[in-house]
Amino acid sequence: DAGVIQSPRHEVTEMGQEVTLRCKPISGHNSLFWYRQTMMRGLELLIYFNNNVPIDDSGMPEDRFSAKMPNASFSTLKIQPSEPRDSAVYFCASSSVNEQFFGPGTRLTVL
Amino acid sequence: AQRVTQPEKLLSVFKGAPVELKCNYSYSGSPELFWYVQYSRQRLQLLLRHISRESIKGFTADLNKGETSFHLKKPFAQEEDSAMYYCALSGAGSYQLTFGKGTKLSVIP
Repeated sequence: DAGVIQSPRHEVTEMGQEVTLRCKPISGHNSLFWYRQTMMRGLELLIYFNNNVPIDDSGMPEDRFSAKMPNASFSTLKIQPSEPRDSAVYFCASSSVNEQFFGPGTRLTVL
Repeated sequence: AQRVTQPEKLLSVFKGAPVELKCNYSYSGSPELFWYVQYSRQRLQLLLRHISRESIKGFTADLNKGETSFHLKKPFAQEEDSAMYYCALSGAGSYQLTFGKGTKLSVIP
């Protein structure tokens, strides 16, 4: 298994543009997590899915952020419109028990 | 509410010196505690968990419920230990982790 896969690895966009980050969890894992990592705040949980259903989205900063998990092997995190303060590394992680396996992250830069 | 505190953003030690990365938590119940590590340009990965009571890469961590701490220790630091270390907590039966803000360990040759 290649582990958790994220794409793109790097994204540079301009303020106001829509950004879509993608994640493929490890096969068989039924929980998926989206995190944001910044120098100031460290690692913050944005949203958590269990069996494709969003369980806790209290970490989603505002309505500009949305996440979907249409099936067990794919999830997206969308930012529309993007702002410079959204610049961060976004991680996806999946788990079947209480160990989380992280993807390589997407480094987002909003100019 | 559950919270994880890592008081040091940066810790520098000389090679061969002992290392202690501090972690304190707040949780009303029986938590599970973890240490995750992120080496330069690599993904975050699990280093150890308190229920395993094992030593990984020479690191150990003991859960002290009286002091609500889960400090990470290694008797002799090596250069390859330089990385970002995150302490994390989950409630019993929960898959959700609460992370501390991380401590960057720098081992000086």
